[in-house]
Amino acid sequence: SQTIHQWPATLVQPVGSPLSLECTVEGTSNPNLYWYRQAAGRGLQLLFYSVGIGQISSEVPQNLSASRPQDRQFILSSKKLLLSDSGFYLCAWSVLTGYEQYFGPGTRLTVT
Amino acid sequence: GESVGLHLPTLSVQEGDNSIINCAYSNSASDYFIWYKQESGKGPQFIIDIRSNMDKRQGQRVTVLLNKTVKHLSLQIAATQPGDSAVYFCAETDGRALTFGSGTRLQVQP
Repeated sequence: SQTIHQWPATLVQPVGSPLSLECTVEGTSNPNLYWYRQAAGRGLQLLFYSVGIGQISSEVPQNLSASRPQDRQFILSSKKLLLSDSGFYLCAWSVLTGYEQYFGPGTRLTVT
Repeated sequence: GESVGLHLPTLSVQEGDNSIINCAYSNSASDYFIWYKQESGKGPQFIIDIRSNMDKRQGQRVTVLLNKTVKHLSLQIAATQPGDSAVYFCAETDGRALTFGSGTRLQVQP
């Protein structure tokens, strides 16, 4: 069966520090991968998606970047965090674009 | 979209009552719809789905209704329990992209 992992589960970082969040998927090949951000009490905001290694599409301009160095690995990064980067970050995968997405457990990021 | 910045609407129900959560969608080409449940501090989890060739689908204690004429989707939860307290998202797709609704918070009062 397929599983999706995210780490760390929680993170507290000072403003201006770098960020690296990792997501890995097991049990499937060539998945579509997604990064979402969710502010407290809000909906899901799609940040990036990837249909293959090295292929990244950005949905909103921001302080963040994403990379996909391996088929089942998706990384969310920032060189310098802002207070507004605080939130709950969710990784998801799907078999194909436009199909059901399966979410990871999320990473709660607090920028202080 | 703009809805991600808005506070989630809240539905408050008594334990044991039935809950109805509504969702309006805009893409008339959407042919597959999903309801997700997100408990506090966790990722959204699949609850039930429905294809556009159906107008009703039932699961365990949950029923999804689809009205394509008015582009409306609803999730009905029978005999709501405290464990049903969560945020519920609808999602639609026309096969090109999965688009999430803004979500509804369900609070179950004991």
